[in-house]
Amino acid sequence: QLVLTQSPSASASLGASVKVTCTLSSGHSSYPIAWHQQQPEEGPRFLMNLNSDGSHIKGDGIPDRFSGSSSGAERYLTISSLQSEDEADYYCQTWGTGIQVFGGGTKLTVL
Amino acid sequence: QVQLVESGGGLVEPGGSLRISCAASGFIFSDYYMTWIRQAPGKGLEWIAYIGGSGNTIYYADSVKGRFTISRDNSKNSLYLQINSLRAEDTAVYFCAREMVGPTHAIDYWGQGTLVTVSS
Repeated sequence: QLVLTQSPSASASLGASVKVTCTLSSGHSSYPIAWHQQQPEEGPRFLMNLNSDGSHIKGDGIPDRFSGSSSGAERYLTISSLQSEDEADYYCQTWGTGIQVFGGGTKLTVL
Repeated sequence: QVQLVESGGGLVEPGGSLRISCAASGFIFSDYYMTWIRQAPGKGLEWIAYIGGSGNTIYYADSVKGRFTISRDNSKNSLYLQINSLRAEDTAVYFCAREMVGPTHAIDYWGQGTLVTVSS
């Protein structure tokens, strides 16, 4: 069964870096994912499409502070030089034939 | 620029029906798969269904199969979701979204959502 697992919360200080993790279920470690950001009371925003080899394509206007990487079944979103507006929920998304799956989301707090 | 604008949400009694719409602009609508996703209050994102550019490819999440129907009218650049036999647990913000072109179902644009509330 295709499942994405995310830690419910993460925190880091203003100006620091943070890495958010999304883990693919067993047998699905080669799957690509997408990262999305959702700020309070808004619709989500596409950040990037991230492949198993770490290559990624970012969405329109996404700052260089946002980057992606991969290791095995884990997919990472790294945000550097954290700003207050980065405080948001972050979701990973993947897909198979006839199905799409979202992770449970990670709530990022900027201290 | 790409815009997706949902409409048609509202308060509906349990057992009722509703059709929500999504008006697309800024891209060649028929070239893209489109998707509906929902978010219950305080919860995460849940995929509901997606439809291919011509409307011939359609898939649903098991949780909505048989009650929800996704459709599109490419002449009107519009996506629809018919929701029948509404239940309290269908209360959510419903988002329409565009998928990237290519061998992928990554979503690259989202609407702002429309709220559906199921209550008597």
